[in-house]
Amino acid sequence: GEKVEQHESTLSVREGDSAVINCTYTDTASSYFPWYKQEAGKGLHFVIDIRSNVDRKQSQRLIVLLDKKAKRFSLHITATQPEDSAIYFCAASLSNTGANTGKLTFGHGTILRVHP
Amino acid sequence: EAAVTQSPRSKVAVTGGKVTLSCHQTNNHDYMYWYRQDTGHGLRLIHYSYVADSTEKGDIPDGYKASRPSQENFSLILELASLSQTAVYFCASRTGSGQLYFGEGSKLTVL
Repeated sequence: GEKVEQHESTLSVREGDSAVINCTYTDTASSYFPWYKQEAGKGLHFVIDIRSNVDRKQSQRLIVLLDKKAKRFSLHITATQPEDSAIYFCAASLSNTGANTGKLTFGHGTILRVHP
Repeated sequence: EAAVTQSPRSKVAVTGGKVTLSCHQTNNHDYMYWYRQDTGHGLRLIHYSYVADSTEKGDIPDGYKASRPSQENFSLILELASLSQTAVYFCASRTGSGQLYFGEGSKLTVL
């Protein structure tokens, strides 16, 4: 089955700098790659996703890049703020429609700390 | 704002006992999921459902049963709780575009 590896266990950045979290996946059939944020003691919240028909997507300060050849995708958070501090999870699935969606394979999470 | 509510939020159970975790969504979503999260690990899919009265096995279904009596409600049942099932359990529902809405989690400790 699919395996998703999240390369950074922890990441510490200064406020205003950029943060980058990298993930790799194994199944070439995977085509949907969402990112979720988890604040302490809370459930996960969707932040952004990318589908395999594009290689870049941006939503305000968040940028997701997808390199299908390398089976790698990354989340870039620009101009970081203290409220960006949380655990970020990458995930992959075969598609974002039908039964396969929600059958996500998650990475282990990256603890992001944004300090003044 | 889409809402997924889990209960109980925290539970201590004895080994061999029965545990039921409940999930209620007001999103009118067809798909619902149960994931478990272990410390330092990502989430793993236990069971899911796309219609009332039907459930499907996820990646780690052993030791768990699921029940979907209505579109709004999805339960996870541990008939004989074991120490290895100590974890935080998350329920989620899914939009048509694939976005998951998660509940706040149910922390289960089996002693």
